[in-house]
Amino acid sequence: GNSVTQMEGPVTLSEEAFLTINCTYTATGYPSLFWYVQYPGEGLQLLLKATKADDKGSNKGFEATYRKETTSFHLEKGSVQVSDSAVYFCALSGPRGSQGNLIFGKGTKLSVKP
Amino acid sequence: DTGVSQDPRHKITKRGQNVTFRCDPISEHNRLYWYRQTLGQGPEFLTYFQNEAQLEKSRLLSDRFSAERPKGSFSTLEIQRTEQGDSAMYLCASSHPVGQGANGANVLTFGAGSRLTVL
Repeated sequence: GNSVTQMEGPVTLSEEAFLTINCTYTATGYPSLFWYVQYPGEGLQLLLKATKADDKGSNKGFEATYRKETTSFHLEKGSVQVSDSAVYFCALSGPRGSQGNLIFGKGTKLSVKP
Repeated sequence: DTGVSQDPRHKITKRGQNVTFRCDPISEHNRLYWYRQTLGQGPEFLTYFQNEAQLEKSRLLSDRFSAERPKGSFSTLEIQRTEQGDSAMYLCASSHPVGQGANGANVLTFGAGSRLTVL
């Protein structure tokens, strides 16, 4: 079945450091891929998405590229801020027209220190 | 619209008691999802509705769990005879009909969750 594997955390970085959180997936067909973020005490929020191979999702300085050949959707940010401290979840859903429920990875906790 | 609302935010109960959670989705969303999230894990799918019809249930949804969406608007998730293993955050999400979101991707909007502690 479909699944998502994320790098385990926690990840601790200094402010302005470069961030990469790895995500790989197993899926039949062509899933849509997502990164969700959960700030302390808040609900999950969509950070970015990509719906087809080679698409790049971006938001708030974060980027991720849908790589079909490596079945990956790694999250990157060039310069993290303290306010980026949160838990990041990679997720996939079925292709357009499918049921639409998401399958999540276990999450990666990011702590950014000033 | 204030987003997806869940109530209560926290519930502490004794083992064997019944609990009910309510979710009010974004009004124009016809799909509604329930997920469960335990500490250190990602959300796990429980069930979803399209309008009032419950279209899919996960194997995680034992017979002690029941979800309803009687008028296709708000939804309730009831857990009967709670067990300590039911302690978790119960998340509700809603979305447009599949294919009508931006680029056809099914984007889920989540509520803040209802945290259940079973003593």
